[in-house]
Amino acid sequence: GENVEQHPSTLSVQEGDSAVIKCTYSDSASNYFPWYKQELGKGPQLIIDIRSNVGEKKDQRIAVTLNKTAKHFSLHITETQPEDSAVYFCAAKGAGSYQLTFGKGTKLSVIP
Amino acid sequence: SAVISQKPSRDICQRGTSLTIQCQVDSQVTMMFWYRQQPGQSLTLIATANQGSEATYESGFVIDKFPISRPNLTFSTLTVSNMSPEDSSIYLCSVEVGGWPNVQFFGPGTRLTVL
Repeated sequence: GENVEQHPSTLSVQEGDSAVIKCTYSDSASNYFPWYKQELGKGPQLIIDIRSNVGEKKDQRIAVTLNKTAKHFSLHITETQPEDSAVYFCAAKGAGSYQLTFGKGTKLSVIP
Repeated sequence: SAVISQKPSRDICQRGTSLTIQCQVDSQVTMMFWYRQQPGQSLTLIATANQGSEATYESGFVIDKFPISRPNLTFSTLTVSNMSPEDSSIYLCSVEVGGWPNVQFFGPGTRLTVL
């Protein structure tokens, strides 16, 4: 089955700096890669996703890049703000599958 | 997107008892999912619940321990049976909406503590 590795497990950045979280996946047939943000005491919130036919997607301060050859994808957050502090999860979905496989999560702390 | 609510939001239960968690979504959806998130951990799929059919359980999860109902296209319940402290977790309901690929949205979760 699919295996998703996520790094780093924790990340601290100064407010205004950029943050990058990286994930690798094992199943070359995976074709959908969402990112979720989970704040303390809340459920995961979808913040951005990318399909396998796209190399990059951007939404204001967040962007996701996908390298299908290397089987990795990354989340980029620019101009970080304290409210970006949360746990971020990457996930992958295989072709024809309903199941998401999640990474172990990255705890991002933005220091004011 | 979809708006998902769960009840209860949190509970503290005694060992050996059972708790039923409700999940309500604001639109009709075919597929609903139940996840467990142990403290500080990632999300693990318990089962997939489709209306009108038996739930499909993932490896390590059994129907006797986690019975699921899916009476209609907007509602599902998950029961955690004969609880032990190891069942202390966040239980999350999610739904799949949209075209290809279907996007999953999550509810706020139920925080369960078993004493």
